[in-house]
Formats: sequence, C-alpha cells, structure tokens
Amino acid sequence: DSGVTQTPKHLITATGQRVTLRCSPRSGDLSVYWYQQSLDQGLQFLIQYYNGEERAKGNILERFSAQQFPDLHSELNLSSLELGDSALYFCASSVGTTSYSDTQYFGPGTRLTVL
Amino acid sequence: GQQVMQIPQYQHVQEGEDFTTYCNSSTTLSNIQWYKQRPGGHPVFLIQLVKSGEVKKQKRLTFQFGEAKKNSSLHITATQTTDVGTYFCAGPEYGGATNKLIFGTGTLLAVQP
Repeated sequence: DSGVTQTPKHLITATGQRVTLRCSPRSGDLSVYWYQQSLDQGLQFLIQYYNGEERAKGNILERFSAQQFPDLHSELNLSSLELGDSALYFCASSVGTTSYSDTQYFGPGTRLTVL
Repeated sequence: GQQVMQIPQYQHVQEGEDFTTYCNSSTTLSNIQWYKQRPGGHPVFLIQLVKSGEVKKQKRLTFQFGEAKKNSSLHITATQTTDVGTYFCAGPEYGGATNKLIFGTGTLLAVQP
C-alpha cells in the first residue's frame, strides 16, 4: 500500500459526459501528479500540482482540468468525454522538495471506460 | 523535447533465464529511478541511482547508471514468475525545478514457468 488513495476504482460512462477523479496523497506529500495510461501504453504525464498550485503541465487536453485543494487532495476533471479517453488514470504523490531526487508513490488508479 | 526510450519494448523469457532492459535519455540526467508495474497494478518505486557509473543490487536485480549519466540498465538474474511486469525508468525533467519525472517507454517482461 503506497498510502495514495484514488476514487473511484472503476468508472463507466458515455461519450460527451463529464467525470471527476479524486486523489488523496500520502500524508506529508505536497506534490500530486496525474498520469494517463492507455492499453499497452506507457505513462503519459498530464499535470502536477504542488501545495495547491499548478507546477508542471504535460500532454493534458483542454477538455481536462485539475486542481489541488487546501487539504492537498486533488481532482482531475474530464469533460466532453470521447472513446479515446478510456484509460487508466494514475495519481502519484511526492514530498515535493526542490531536490531532483523526489520519489513518486502511485495510487491504485482509476479505470475509466467511455462507451 | 526530452525523451527517455527503453529497449526492448517486450521480452519473453523462460524462468531461470536472465533479462536486461536498457534505458536511454536524450539529455543528461541528475539521477534515474526505476519502477515496476505488475499486470493490473500500479507503478512501484524500485531504486534510485545518482552517481555516474553507479551500480546497485537488490537481490537478483542489478541496476547501473552510465558514466555519461544518459543511460541506465536493469539486469535480472535467473528470472522468476514474480518478476513479470513492466519496468520503467524515469529521470527528472532536464533543467526543470518541478520534480516532474520523464518516464521511459517501459519494457514488458513475460516469464514462462
């Protein structure tokens, strides 16, 4: 158990809909990262938050947005869903120090299926 | 942009055979991390290498960081079925101060009993 929790575990929805994925980081971690992993694909970095502020952006679509709240939990909002958005979405957290040796701890993921 | 490639993409071995995956970065890395993702699971941190030429061992796993700090390898001796999964290397974004990691493309290891 990494200490990172994600809800829900599974989500099935229809095209055009909007969903919200939730992540609670490990206790004490200030950074939260979101990744997308499609079938047989690698980890595509979406976005990073540090202590409530956006820190880095990756290949995140305009239909997707995220935020980190004062209690440090984070939400990833996916809207106008398309079939191609079906994937595993991971949240990871790290201490978030300025050093370059920050280990990331991954949550169990949310499997999103868009029908 | 910065890229981290791994080869092979997939390897199938018989239990007891050795396995090696190679990681190559387009830029020099301050450190490199390795993660393992079991089928149906999430990536789990294995190890971090920081020094040029560094070699670290974890039981049957040997990790190396290249002298130029642009490549790394993971070698598994006498594979077991428990080694099945995808192995990812990851390095910090070059010149960044965001702690963002660039993950490699991954190597999927299948072990036949």
